[in-house]
Amino acid sequence: DTGVSQNPRHKITKRGQNVTFRCDPISEHNRLYWYRQTLGQGPEFLTYFQNEAQLEKSRLLSDRFSAERPKGSFSTLEIQRTEQGDSAMYLCASSPRGSGEETQYFGPGTRLLVL
Amino acid sequence: GDSVTQMEGPVTLSEEAFLTINCTYTATGYPSLFWYVQYPGEGLQLLLKATKADDKGSNKGFEATYRKETTSFHLEKGSVQVSDSAVYFCALTGRDDKIIFGKGTRLHILP
Repeated sequence: DTGVSQNPRHKITKRGQNVTFRCDPISEHNRLYWYRQTLGQGPEFLTYFQNEAQLEKSRLLSDRFSAERPKGSFSTLEIQRTEQGDSAMYLCASSPRGSGEETQYFGPGTRLLVL
Repeated sequence: GDSVTQMEGPVTLSEEAFLTINCTYTATGYPSLFWYVQYPGEGLQLLLKATKADDKGSNKGFEATYRKETTSFHLEKGSVQVSDSAVYFCALTGRDDKIIFGKGTRLHILP
């Protein structure tokens, strides 16, 4: 069990460019979550998947954001036409199936800086 | 909606001091409660959790008790170490199992 991995760990981009992040969950975890953490704040929920189905999207997730989880394994989060306000740490977490009592295991995050 | 409020930091203590970080929550239903820790340069790690009223979560000398009557989940440790320096997040699982975090409390332990 190698834990949740995220790539890249850091990304610097210019405003208006598109970026894509990848998350590889712990194998056999069927739930996958994306969170965003800005400086000095706690992480905020963005979206989550049960297998390949995207079950909920936060109002924080504007139309420029899209997430996929093809085949219920890894997931990608794409941000189109990036804005400076998108600069943040993007965290991925996974958990085994079921209830809210299941622990979510977090990856190291991808830190995005939009210039 | 559901929310978590925790004491603002930074909190600075000397080694071996007693630690309390206050956390209160607002939630419908019966959430599970968590403390996560983020060490410098590392990802979020679950420190402890409690899933129902009066449960006590504990790990690495830290404890927190789920108090439904006061809607609180305060983190305590009897004797802190320099290695405990980190950011601590109180959290709950809200609707649909997504985690709702507090803003975090930065803890500095001086040798």
